[in-house]
Amino acid sequence: DGGITQSPKYLFRKEGQNVTLSCEQNLNHDAMYWYRQDPGQGLRLIYYSQIVNDFQKGDIAEGYSVSREKKESFPLTVTSAQKNPTAFYLCASSIPHRTGGLGETQYFGPGTRLLVL
Amino acid sequence: AQSVAQPEDQVNVAEGNPLTVKCTYSVSGNPYLFWYVQYPNRGLQFLLKYITGDNLVKGSYGFEAEFNKSQTSFHLKKPSALVSDSALYFCASGDTGRRALTFGSGTRLQVQP
Repeated sequence: DGGITQSPKYLFRKEGQNVTLSCEQNLNHDAMYWYRQDPGQGLRLIYYSQIVNDFQKGDIAEGYSVSREKKESFPLTVTSAQKNPTAFYLCASSIPHRTGGLGETQYFGPGTRLLVL
Repeated sequence: AQSVAQPEDQVNVAEGNPLTVKCTYSVSGNPYLFWYVQYPNRGLQFLLKYITGDNLVKGSYGFEAEFNKSQTSFHLKKPSALVSDSALYFCASGDTGRRALTFGSGTRLQVQP
């Protein structure tokens, strides 16, 4: 899992509650990503950030928010608007490849499992 | 839109036998293809990638993958499977529109002793 840490390992959310998942990397990578993993569906992109103070929506951004105030950190907030938040959340980071970004390897953290009470 | 398909939900193989996990892709432009492995309740570990050059890519833990442009495939292979290879394997492609990966649905590899 390299130099990427995610906390907590398990997180429980009550109805109507916002919760924040932490992602920190010490790899000096510019880009960071959040993916959601559901059984049988692979990974789907929630948000990504190519540089500090900039981020873009992925394929399933509704009900989520992020910030990128520091290069090392990319926290994800699961808001009460996300009606089906139970999933395994994975954070990743990468450094630009000389091909312009398409060949870069993403390195993943250990994940946070979010459960609804 | 680009996509990656893993046609098998599960692959079963006996220890010591060769294994193949299949992946096909649909991308515009040059493909950038990756294989990752995931053990239970863990993050993804990078195995190998194809960017350009030799069609046979060698990666970690004895795995290799063969890029076939005419068949739009990028199958993962290993000459001799180990029980410890049992895990979930994901094929992915680099997204041409953004710096992110598009993943297949995953294939569970089960190696029997």
